[in-house]
Amino acid sequence: QQQVKQSPQSLIVQKGGISIINCAYENTAFDYFPWYQQFPGKGPALLIAIRPDVSEKKEGRFTISFNKSAKQFSLHIMDSQPGDSATYFCAAPYNNDMRFGAGTRLTVKP
Amino acid sequence: NAGVTQTPKFQVLKTGQSMTLQCAQDMNHEYMSWYRQDPGMGLRLIHYSVGAGITDQGEVPNGYNVSRSTTEDFPLRLLSAAPSQTSVYFCASTSSAGGLFFGSGTQLSVL
Repeated sequence: QQQVKQSPQSLIVQKGGISIINCAYENTAFDYFPWYQQFPGKGPALLIAIRPDVSEKKEGRFTISFNKSAKQFSLHIMDSQPGDSATYFCAAPYNNDMRFGAGTRLTVKP
Repeated sequence: NAGVTQTPKFQVLKTGQSMTLQCAQDMNHEYMSWYRQDPGMGLRLIHYSVGAGITDQGEVPNGYNVSRSTTEDFPLRLLSAAPSQTSVYFCASTSSAGGLFFGSGTQLSVL
């Protein structure tokens, strides 16, 4: 089974700080790598995604950095806010299956 | 916009009972899928469908059936519930760009 490994499991950041979550994937022929954000009691929601023809994609305070040769991509949250406290999942596509990392629980302290 | 609608939100079953989790989407997406979410394990694919009349197994299909008679609906059936099926279940549909749109989930407890 193809694996997607996500780290860290949990992360505590002070308000205004930078949150960094990492993801490593195994070989895939597909080219779409998303991050999802999930609040308690809700379904995951697409936060930001990248295609590996670029090494970085930025949307507001959220940035994906992609390293194709290392098979890794990371999520950076700049100026982290208490409202960013949630669980974040990376994912990678394999055939008709989107495989998810185990998740990172982010807590942003005021 | 309704997006992906799942029912029920909560369900308690006894071991051996059967039930159907309903899922409907109004975005005309061809690809739909069911995931289960367990602590520390992320989301794991149960079954998926690439269009009406076509379904296939995902990573953890045992104990579950699906059907896809229309583009909109993709129900998940638990044939004979077991405690190991206690989980949170999410239905999703996938856009042409590749992003998944999830429902709000069904929290299932099997006693």
